[in-house]
Amino acid sequence: EIVLTQSPGTLSLSPGERATLSCRASQSVSSSYLAWYQQKPGQAPRLLIYGASSRATGIPDRFSGSGSGTDFTLTIDRLEPEDFAVYYCQQYGSSPLTFGGGTKVEIK
Amino acid sequence: QVQLVQSGSELKKPGASVKVSCKASGYTFTSYAMNWVRQAPGQGLEWMGWINTNTGNPTYAQGFTGRFVFSLDTSVSTAYLQISSLKAEDTAVYYCARPDTGAAFDIWGQGTMVTVSS
Repeated sequence: EIVLTQSPGTLSLSPGERATLSCRASQSVSSSYLAWYQQKPGQAPRLLIYGASSRATGIPDRFSGSGSGTDFTLTIDRLEPEDFAVYYCQQYGSSPLTFGGGTKVEIK
Repeated sequence: QVQLVQSGSELKKPGASVKVSCKASGYTFTSYAMNWVRQAPGQGLEWMGWINTNTGNPTYAQGFTGRFVFSLDTSVSTAYLQISSLKAEDTAVYYCARPDTGAAFDIWGQGTMVTVSS
């Protein structure tokens, strides 16, 4: 099983700042099958990034993903008020599919 | 539009069973697999497994064998999750999620809260 470790656990930032979230895998994620999701309280997760760096439909270009192998990053440029949420990475290249523990981006 | 609509919240006693439904619309149901994801209160996301909507063959993640059953009714484009012998630790929100062609989960149901309490 591939274990995904997200850091930091909580990120305290102000609107307009840049957020950099990390996701580290215990072994290489095949074919960069790495996704990022955003979840707000009381809502289902929303797909942001798939294939490590491709934005899902309708996702603003301030969200970008990068990385390969075992190290992946989600960057949010110029945080908007609606971006404060919890973010999860997920690998879907090998079974069992696994999620990271999440990073909460909170308003400073 | 493409959507998954799940059944409403459930309150069950320990030892009872529950069946959660996930109705798909806006796409051909049998063209995409269906996954199930659990989220305990205040916790992260946990993949439970998936079901092949063509064959009905389920695959369960470790920890979700025995009491958990995935099933389908393709005539009404609906997937089901049944949990038997409910325990307090089954209290969670259960999501169905459809993978896109690359297999990331692009469509999610709104979630069904299952509370197990005496």
